[in-house]
Amino acid sequence: AQSVAQPEDQVNVAEGNPLTVKCTYSVSGNPYLFWYVQYPNRGLQFLLKYITGDNLVKGSYGFEAEFNKSQTSFHLKKPSALVSDSALYFCAVRGGRGTGGFKTIFGAGTRLFVKA
Amino acid sequence: KAGVTQTPRYLIKTRGQQVTLSCSPISGHRSVSWYQQTPGQGLQFLFEYFSETQRNKGNFPGRFSGRQFSNSRSEMNVSTLELGDSALYLCASSLQAGGPRNEQFFGPGTRLTVL
Repeated sequence: AQSVAQPEDQVNVAEGNPLTVKCTYSVSGNPYLFWYVQYPNRGLQFLLKYITGDNLVKGSYGFEAEFNKSQTSFHLKKPSALVSDSALYFCAVRGGRGTGGFKTIFGAGTRLFVKA
Repeated sequence: KAGVTQTPRYLIKTRGQQVTLSCSPISGHRSVSWYQQTPGQGLQFLFEYFSETQRNKGNFPGRFSGRQFSNSRSEMNVSTLELGDSALYLCASSLQAGGPRNEQFFGPGTRLTVL
């Protein structure tokens, strides 16, 4: 069965500092991994995805994520945090063919607070 | 191009009632997925529709049902509402069904409160 874990409920970082939001996954076959962000009273916005290829994926708003197959991790990173990055971040996984379908499984979410 | 729209945005119902939520995908998108978001359970997949057919289903009781119309618009129905059904219901559309290369675009959600 597919699963996603975001071990931190909340991450606090000062503006201008680098940020990391952690995600680990479990899936049969090749993982398809995603990061989404949710602002208050809004739906989810897509940030980036890993399908195959380079382990470092670049996405929207200066975010990037590093895929590590041996550690089954897909941590979200940004070199310099902005106050406007404060939001709820979700890691998600979809299994590949033969794993029971393409439904997307989301992590519990990590709330990011960036302090000015 | 207009985004995913969901109606209504807010809804208050009482236990035992039934409710229908609507989702209009981005023009040209043929796949619609539904998710339930609660503080306790997080985001949980309900079902996915493509070309009027249910392609995938999550682990929800039969009180939760959905359908998709020929214009790709989708409705979700919850019968015999329970207090625990209070949640933000999110709809997402994508060009094709499933597949990792198909990005999902989410609507703003419908906030359902069951009293």
